Amino acid sequence: AQRVTQPEKLLSVFKGAPVELKCNYSYSGSPELFWYVQYSRQRLQLLLRHISRESIKGFTADLNKGETSFHLKKPFAQEEDSAMYYCALSPLGDKLIFGTGTRLQVFP
Amino acid sequence: DGGITQSPKYLFRKEGQNVTLSCEQNLNHDAMYWYRQDPGQGLRLIYYSQIVNDFQKGDIAEGYSVSREKKESFPLTVTSAQKNPTAFYLCASSSRTGSNQPQHFGDGTRLSIL
Repeated sequence: AQRVTQPEKLLSVFKGAPVELKCNYSYSGSPELFWYVQYSRQRLQLLLRHISRESIKGFTADLNKGETSFHLKKPFAQEEDSAMYYCALSPLGDKLIFGTGTRLQVFP
Repeated sequence: DGGITQSPKYLFRKEGQNVTLSCEQNLNHDAMYWYRQDPGQGLRLIYYSQIVNDFQKGDIAEGYSVSREKKESFPLTVTSAQKNPTAFYLCASSSRTGSNQPQHFGDGTRLSIL
């Protein structure tokens, strides 16, 4: 079955601390993976996708096919990073399968 | 950022009533999607459409219906057959499917039962 697992519902860190939001997937083919973010009172929006291999707002995510993971990382968290983060899998490019999301709280 | 407009923002349904949620986009996107969001469950796909006059069931299509008569519009009807309709509904669009283009989301509609 195709599935995305985000084991943490809530992750709390202090400003300046490193952040890692975990995402594991279940898919037998070559996955396309994404991170979406929803800031308070804003729409859900794309943060980054693995195919681009880019850093957005200091966040990076590396696809690890051996561990079937796509963890989101940032070396130094900022208060404005507080948001809801969703990992998503696109098996065939025609739809997204979302994880349950992780709420990141960054304290000053 | 008016790309995708969902209306109404809040909607109430009586028992046995069908209600329709509106989704309009002016991004000239081919593909449109409807998701349901429940607390602790993330987003689950209800229906999606890759082109006008065509649509496919998602993971939780039972009790819902859609139409795609125009490229810019993808309304979702929650029928009386949907026994647990209380949820937050999100509409999204992307430029085309099969290419992993990012999906753009609306502000959502919150549906509650009277």
